Amino acid sequence: NAGVTQTPKFQVLKTGQSMTLQCAQDMNHEYMSWYRQDPGMGLRLIHYSVGAGITDQGEVPNGYNVSRSTTEDFPLRLLSAAPSQTSVYFCASTRLAGTGELFFGEGSRLTVL
Amino acid sequence: RKEVEQDPGPFNVPEGATVAFNCTYSNSASQSFFWYRQDCRKEPKLLMSVYSSGNEDGRFTAQLNRASQYISLLIRDSKLSDSATYLCVVNAYSGTYKYIFGTGTRLKVLA
Repeated sequence: NAGVTQTPKFQVLKTGQSMTLQCAQDMNHEYMSWYRQDPGMGLRLIHYSVGAGITDQGEVPNGYNVSRSTTEDFPLRLLSAAPSQTSVYFCASTRLAGTGELFFGEGSRLTVL
Repeated sequence: RKEVEQDPGPFNVPEGATVAFNCTYSNSASQSFFWYRQDCRKEPKLLMSVYSSGNEDGRFTAQLNRASQYISLLIRDSKLSDSATYLCVVNAYSGTYKYIFGTGTRLKVLA
């Protein structure tokens, strides 16, 4: 059972570089989301999607783009990386957006120099 | 003010102790509530959902107080393996659903 798969697990970028964090789920979940986790800040919602073609902003969307062309995939793009985007990024999905359990990927650790 | 607030701890308790965590939320439109557990450098995992009538799962009891807008988690007979960070999660509907996390409360159970 793959569940939610995130790649890469680790990445080091230089300021100004762009990259995409990949997230894929094989549970046919309509709802997918991206969080970042920083020490003392908990998990903060970046973007989320309630289905293919539909995305919306969370608490901290600036500097990130998302798209949802298929039910399975929800990539997160950093357009021009900044040191403030150094964080651990988690992708999560659920079948029922209102009451369902969120299933998380193992996280992607990003360092921006 | 953050939408979901928790005491960050750490709570250091001896094995066998009972410990309680509280979490307050600001959005009165919040509809569903959860406690997640996160081990060091791992992804969060669902511990339990929180129902209006309160619910229990073994040594864990969750309560919801909608009037005061807080939820609680009680852990009885703490085990060393309970050491983790406990995250309060609130799901509010405002056109679409958003799961909002608290900062987490760190628990360390001591032998």
